[in-house]
Amino acid sequence: DIVMAQTPESLAVSLGERATINCKSSQSVFFGPNNKNYLAWYQQKPGQPPELLIYWASTRESGVPDRFSGSGSGTDFTLTISSLQAEDVAIYFCQQYYSTPFTFGPGTRVDLK
Amino acid sequence: EVQLVQSGAELKKPGESLRISCKGSGYSFTNYWINWVRQMPEKGLEWMGRIDPNDSYTNYSPSFQGHVSISCDKSINTAYLQLTSLKSSDTAIYYCARQTSGDFFHYWGHGTLVTVSS
Repeated sequence: DIVMAQTPESLAVSLGERATINCKSSQSVFFGPNNKNYLAWYQQKPGQPPELLIYWASTRESGVPDRFSGSGSGTDFTLTISSLQAEDVAIYFCQQYYSTPFTFGPGTRVDLK
Repeated sequence: EVQLVQSGAELKKPGESLRISCKGSGYSFTNYWINWVRQMPEKGLEWMGRIDPNDSYTNYSPSFQGHVSISCDKSINTAYLQLTSLKSSDTAIYYCARQTSGDFFHYWGHGTLVTVSS
């Protein structure tokens, strides 16, 4: 199984400041023939199901604000919230879909400072 | 509009079984896999397995193989998750989720809370 790790476990950021979440996979999730990284990011707010933010490591889902961006390749990935808004308080998960069993990172809680 | 509507919350006793449903609408049900994801209280997300509604082919996580069964009835656009010999550790929210162009989860059901308690 591909193990996903996330850092930090939690972070507190002031309104308008940048939040950066890291995700590391135990093996590469890059598929050379199509030049894609099989990595997604989700946001989960209390009492709600997860919501897809980013897929293919850096493609923003339709309707997701452009303050959210994803980067990275191979085994190391980053989700950046460029200017934190109050509605971004949530837990963020990365997920690899390179191979089954699909696996998620443990999550990073983002709060307001 | 794509929707996945799950069955309601369940309270079960240890040793009992249950079946959760997930009804898809707003798209061609047989075109996309349906996945099941577990979230234990205050914990992360665990992929349990998936089904191709077109031919009912299933794919399970080794962590859940033998303890769960995924099925579907394409005539009513519904996928099912069956859990047997329930334990208190099965207490969790269970989500169904649909893939799209890749194996990321584009659409999610609202979740079904399962509580196992004597």
